[in-house]
Amino acid sequence: IAGITQAPTSQILAAGRRMTLRCTQDMRHNAMYWYRQDLGLGLRLIHYSNTAGTTGKGEVPDGYSVSRANTDDFPLTLASAVPSQTSVYFCASSASGDSDEQFFGPGTRLTVL
Amino acid sequence: GQNIDQPTEMTATEGAIVQINCTYQTSGFNGLFWYQQHAGEAPTFLSYNVLDGLEEKGRFSSFLSRSKGYSYLLLKELQMKDSASYLCANMDSNYQLIWGAGTKLIIKP
Repeated sequence: IAGITQAPTSQILAAGRRMTLRCTQDMRHNAMYWYRQDLGLGLRLIHYSNTAGTTGKGEVPDGYSVSRANTDDFPLTLASAVPSQTSVYFCASSASGDSDEQFFGPGTRLTVL
Repeated sequence: GQNIDQPTEMTATEGAIVQINCTYQTSGFNGLFWYQQHAGEAPTFLSYNVLDGLEEKGRFSSFLSRSKGYSYLLLKELQMKDSASYLCANMDSNYQLIWGAGTKLIIKP
């Protein structure tokens, strides 16, 4: 692994189903983030984690949950998907939770029908 | 409230210079970032300004005026590969990035 990876690349999901988007980084970064990107809108922060074992809510956390059991992994779970969660999801990481540049994964394109 | 404004779309000619403006109103300030995003790809870091003035990095430069809540990204000697969206983001007092919607830059030959 080099950098930050996400899986799956894309997914079509029926409304009401549970889904976990995976994110793994090998840079030993402390901070990790989940964003969604919708047409005409800026990236919006869903949840973040400044260090393993801690998480926080971003701008649009409702309907999503995260965990940070270790430094490398930061999965995002949709407990019961709804069509408004159709979006492109990006995971990102930075060395610290301060003013370091964020490195982005390739994204997951999720469609909820 | 928190707000980042940048033009939706700009067109420029190969070899020319283009300036993409960004104005921001956010709670606190911990730096202004510019990212490039090609269609269907992830954003990649271009620049970071925390002090007023111009930061030059090759063909790309970024300017910041904190008193005016204003930044711009200057792209020189435009190449076709510069066709992308350019995202402005302000880091607020909680060290969270507040993103603009992005400026789609179209380069014509």
